[in-house]
Amino acid sequence: GAVVSQHPSWVICKSGTSVKIECRSLDFQATTMFWYRQFPKQSLMLMATSNEGSKATYEQGVEKDKFLINHASLTLSTLTVTSAHPEDSSFYICSARATSGADTQYFGPGTRLTVL
Amino acid sequence: EDQVTQSPEALRLQEGESSSLNCSYTVSGLRGLFWYRQDPGKGPEFLFTLYSAGEEKEKERLKATLTKKESFLHITAPKPEDSATYLCAVRSGGATNKLIFGTGTLLAVQP
Repeated sequence: GAVVSQHPSWVICKSGTSVKIECRSLDFQATTMFWYRQFPKQSLMLMATSNEGSKATYEQGVEKDKFLINHASLTLSTLTVTSAHPEDSSFYICSARATSGADTQYFGPGTRLTVL
Repeated sequence: EDQVTQSPEALRLQEGESSSLNCSYTVSGLRGLFWYRQDPGKGPEFLFTLYSAGEEKEKERLKATLTKKESFLHITAPKPEDSATYLCAVRSGGATNKLIFGTGTLLAVQP
């Protein structure tokens, strides 16, 4: 099956620092990747959609200057949380959809971000 | 507005006690209904995709069915390792082309 990896799996940082999370599709090429965040006992909230080589499309209420997304290749997307604050602490999950046109999205294992 | 509602919010079963989870949806032009399993602290794991009413798919103890208004995830003779949150999502034929998730059903199977 399709595999999506994320790195790191968890990170703790001080308030004001920036954190980069990588998302890779390991065995397929992904034209479109998605970034979600999930708070405890809540469902996934879509933050942004990125297409390879294009600027990301952000959901309403998500600050594009705070959550920088780069989708430089068909297998890699990165999310950078700039000037992180405690309220940014959350579980961030990426997802990828294959270039073959299939509708299924495969999810990464998630990254737990804790901002002190 | 596209919407997905899952019920029950939580379900506790004894090992071997079969049951069903419900996912009701309203969407403008269904382009797929998806079931995922999510364990605590992990990302969702893909289970099934259904596209049209009447379609059914099976995997081990799980079977997913679809009608024009809802989908069921049937769990036959569950085991403790089936304990997880089960998420339902739909993709509409509208311009957004994004998955819309329900809030999930937390399933606990007791030995």
